[in-house]
Amino acid sequence: EPEVTQTPSHQVTQMGQEVILRCVPISNHLYFYWYRQILGQKVEFLVSFYNNEISEKSEIFDDQFSVERPDGSNFTLKIRSTKLEDSAMYFCASSAREGAEAFFGQGTRLTVV
Amino acid sequence: AQSVSQHNHHVILSEAASLELGCNYSYGGTVNLFWYVQYPGQHLQLLLKYFSGDPLVKGIKGFEAEFIKSKFSFNLRKPSVQWSDTAEYFCAVISSNTGKLIFGQGTTLQVKP
Repeated sequence: EPEVTQTPSHQVTQMGQEVILRCVPISNHLYFYWYRQILGQKVEFLVSFYNNEISEKSEIFDDQFSVERPDGSNFTLKIRSTKLEDSAMYFCASSAREGAEAFFGQGTRLTVV
Repeated sequence: AQSVSQHNHHVILSEAASLELGCNYSYGGTVNLFWYVQYPGQHLQLLLKYFSGDPLVKGIKGFEAEFIKSKFSFNLRKPSVQWSDTAEYFCAVISSNTGKLIFGQGTTLQVKP
């Protein structure tokens, strides 16, 4: 069964450092998403991406965040200068069409120290 | 503001008990509704979905949910829970106004053997 894969599963970084979280969506999917879940809180939408551009982003997704689909298979989330409050589980998801169910990766646990 | 509310934050049941988890949403227009489950240490998995048609939808592992449009609700049910149902359950909504998936706060279900 096709699945969304994320790497790494756990990333520890120092405050102020840049991190790149990587995702390989399901191959025939066209819509890509990043969500995050701070420990004990709800899953929050960060950004959606379609046709090589951001289609929607939340207020969380400020200038420190960027997304890219560099090679037609990977979908990356970059945090330019990490803050302690960026510590969370980050989930990548993809869907075949808008409004359809999203398939999630296993997440990357980001710990900023 | 668009939102999804799950009324039960933490539910503890004994095996064979019946389960109902509440979910209400506030959106205008057409919605697609989902329940996702997150087993300990695993990624979000789709339990069931409602797009249109019969408002009573059946999902995997004996779960079902009923869409009641007049009440803006999509409650999850299972007649007899098992210990293996211990997990976090998330209600989520996509409205026709936006392609992004909005999650409720999640309900932690603990089933005692």
